[in-house]
Amino acid sequence: GAGVSQSPSNKVTEKGKDVELRCDPISGHTALYWYRQSLGQGLEFLIYFQGNSAPDKSGLPSDRFSAERTGGSVSTLTIQRTQQEDSAVYLCASSLGPSGNTQYFGPGTRLTVL
Amino acid sequence: KQEVTQIPAALSVPEGENLVLNCSFTDSAIYNLQWFRQDPGKGLTSLLLIQSSQREQTSGRLNASLDKSSGRSTLYIAASQPGDSATYLCAVRRGNNNDMRFGAGTRLTVKP
Repeated sequence: GAGVSQSPSNKVTEKGKDVELRCDPISGHTALYWYRQSLGQGLEFLIYFQGNSAPDKSGLPSDRFSAERTGGSVSTLTIQRTQQEDSAVYLCASSLGPSGNTQYFGPGTRLTVL
Repeated sequence: KQEVTQIPAALSVPEGENLVLNCSFTDSAIYNLQWFRQDPGKGLTSLLLIQSSQREQTSGRLNASLDKSSGRSTLYIAASQPGDSATYLCAVRRGNNNDMRFGAGTRLTVKP
């Protein structure tokens, strides 16, 4: 596709369950970002991948959160033992090169933890 | 720590009116500033990117200005249209790294 895609668009899960969120960046974009937007809050940076470099995980809120990017393309964000405060919209973005370039965002995954 | 604030939180204007959205940030040592619009279910769309060395950027009816010394940016929308209704977010990058801070956004409604 022409843009960044994310799946699922909505996810409802029970507290304590693990969830996986998927992001397909724009083809050829070497940089990929994950953000979280909680209700009424600004976007919060979670993690950044650039090419084959080690990811910048400085924004991950706890060790229950992890992400990987396979083959330099698709990325999955995994949340283990979900908590109600994890409920948010999780946005993925990609850019052509390292930080500083315009980021293009996907539609997001709305996660609801009951 | 960089704090980004957007005022107002919500704005409603009649069609055709010119309007200004405000973004302020606490640390003037920024790398760049970006304005986005967010439509429900469609994620964010980048509107304008202003590098720290620039004072403004223009795209169509949109003009964004940057004043680093005062920690402010404005997004000017000329001749607003109902299709401009969305949430507008500004984001500040502190350096050539991945630390990008977003404001909470301004929800704009343009009434026909």
